[in-house]
Amino acid sequence: EAGVAQSPRYKIIEKRQSVAFWCNPISGHATLYWYQQILGQGPKLLIQFQNNGVVDDSQLPKDRFSAERLKGVDSTLKIQPAKLEDSAVYLCASSFHPSEETQYFGPGTRLLVL
Amino acid sequence: DQQVKQNSPSLSVQEGRISILNCDYTNSMFDYFLWYKKYPAEGPTFLISISSIKDKNEDGRFTVFLNKSAKHLSLHIVPSQPGDSAVYFCAASGGDNDMRFGAGTRLTVKP
Repeated sequence: EAGVAQSPRYKIIEKRQSVAFWCNPISGHATLYWYQQILGQGPKLLIQFQNNGVVDDSQLPKDRFSAERLKGVDSTLKIQPAKLEDSAVYLCASSFHPSEETQYFGPGTRLLVL
Repeated sequence: DQQVKQNSPSLSVQEGRISILNCDYTNSMFDYFLWYKKYPAEGPTFLISISSIKDKNEDGRFTVFLNKSAKHLSLHIVPSQPGDSAVYFCAASGGDNDMRFGAGTRLTVKP
């Protein structure tokens, strides 16, 4: 069974530029999560999708971050414009159902904002 | 808000000995707890979990203990192996399934 796929693996941009990350969850997993992991901290939930609907985006900085999962499968997370403090690893995870507690993580996208 | 805390950023043990990683939480609504293991340049991988109706769960060399009254859980690895060297994240979730992670503990197992 293929795992959660993410691309790109690394991205370096200058502040005020835009960037987008892509995630393809495990086949059949209805729930998709985006996390931000800053160096030295645990992952912090940004947004949770159930199929193509948003379940929780309370911690998403909506002035600059946006995410979509239009067809309920893969998802994109966008930052526009990026700030220095956005430098982090962005992790995508999926689970079969919201009540399934175990989430399966992708390898992450490491973003550096200069 | 630090609802899940791992107070030891690092731990070093000798191969063959026991590794004990600790985690504390503050939210009494948490009822499911997980440990994830993370190697460099990879995403966290699920290791073991425990629900609040239990106080112990064992899977091979890995055992998780939950003390609800103290809001404390620990992961025991016996015997420790060099391949166990990684960062271990404690995570907790409540009925709303909003999972919270600790900051992680870097375990180094020396041959």
